Amino acid sequence: GAGVSQSPSNKVTEKGKDVELRCDPISGHTALYWYRQSLGQGLEFLIYFQGNSAPDKSGLPSDRFSAERTGGSVSTLTIQRTQQEDSAVYLCASSFFGAGEKLFFGSGTQLSVL
Amino acid sequence: GENVEQHPSTLSVQEGDSAVIKCTYSDSASNYFPWYKQELGKGPQLIIDIRSNVGEKKDQRIAVTLNKTAKHFSLHITETQPEDSAVYFCAASKSNSGYALNFGKGTSLLVTP
Repeated sequence: GAGVSQSPSNKVTEKGKDVELRCDPISGHTALYWYRQSLGQGLEFLIYFQGNSAPDKSGLPSDRFSAERTGGSVSTLTIQRTQQEDSAVYLCASSFFGAGEKLFFGSGTQLSVL
Repeated sequence: GENVEQHPSTLSVQEGDSAVIKCTYSDSASNYFPWYKQELGKGPQLIIDIRSNVGEKKDQRIAVTLNKTAKHFSLHITETQPEDSAVYFCAASKSNSGYALNFGKGTSLLVTP
């Protein structure tokens, strides 16, 4: 694939259910980021991976949010016991080495919690 | 952590006019300042960036200026076209591994024919 791939593109879930969002970064990119974009709002930083480790998890809003990255590639963002305020577009981005470089964004996962 | 403020939140200009978007940042150690453009239904795309060792950078109709002393930077789009209509985000970070990019809240630019 030529770009960052995110799946699913849309997810509708019921309040209280768990959801998993997946990100496939560009091959060879060591840095991976998750951002959240609420309707009409900016890009809220969630977590940053360098390889498989997360030097910066400061943006995760609560302990219901977690993320992992395996093999220095695919990342999964998990939201447990979803709440209506979790509804947003979740964007993933990757870059070769990290900060100070061009980020390549996926098209995002639109999460709707009913 | 880094705090990035962006103004205005919305901007409407006529085709052919110039558009200016301004951002300020809080961390004096930040040294990388990119601008991203987001079209409807898509992820943001980098349009131009500047590092703290220069004061201005141009790429065709787009230019960015940086004032390190005042901790602010601006995006200038000249001869605007309808296809420039989008949401624009500024960002700031330290260019070392281990730091994430912090974004402003975005400016919705509308270019009317």
